[in-house]
Amino acid sequence: SYELTQPLSVSVALGQTARITCGGYKIGNRNVHWYQQKPGQAPLLVIYRDTNRPSGIPERFSGSNSGDAATLTISRAHVGDEGDYYCQVWDSSAVFGGGTKLTVL
Amino acid sequence: EVLLLEAGGGFVQPGGSLRLSCVASGFNIRNYVMSWVRQAPGKGLEWVSSLSGSTGSPTYVASVKGRFTISRDDSTNTLYLQMNTLRVEDTAIYYCAKHLIAGSTNWFDPWGQGTLVTVSS
Repeated sequence: SYELTQPLSVSVALGQTARITCGGYKIGNRNVHWYQQKPGQAPLLVIYRDTNRPSGIPERFSGSNSGDAATLTISRAHVGDEGDYYCQVWDSSAVFGGGTKLTVL
Repeated sequence: EVLLLEAGGGFVQPGGSLRLSCVASGFNIRNYVMSWVRQAPGKGLEWVSSLSGSTGSPTYVASVKGRFTISRDDSTNTLYLQMNTLRVEDTAIYYCAKHLIAGSTNWFDPWGQGTLVTVSS
């Protein structure tokens, strides 16, 4: 079965750029989707099909995908961006990465 | 506005049963694939089951096959998850989610707020 690997945690200084990676074998050949989950809340879609933002998601959120890694980039990080981030692909069923906890310092 | 509202979680002993429900508003679930995704305490997301809108065909993760049954009631626009022979490892928040599909990929938007299932003796 297909596996996705994410770092357990990423820290970023306030106002700087955070990058969260999602590794998988030839993941660049797949579509990757990203979810944000704040404590006590349901996941929220922030990027779909590698680079697309749903309506209401700030332009500070962007995505890329190539080779063996997809990346979620959060520019000008806010304290409000703190939470867990999950990548997901579809492989006859949903496959999720283990999640990355983002801390804004 | 598209909304999903789960209910039915609770405390149950190992071997027991629960039925979760997810009421959808703002769209007809019969026109979409719908899923249940769970999250054990302090852990990540795990897909549990999906139900095809057009065919009504269910799929399950291996760990729940034969124990869980996904279904829907089109008259009330409600998705269900019947969970039998529950195990301690089924303890989780259970979310329902609407699929969006493009080509060979699926993603989830929106998600419900979740309902907590606790299996313990």
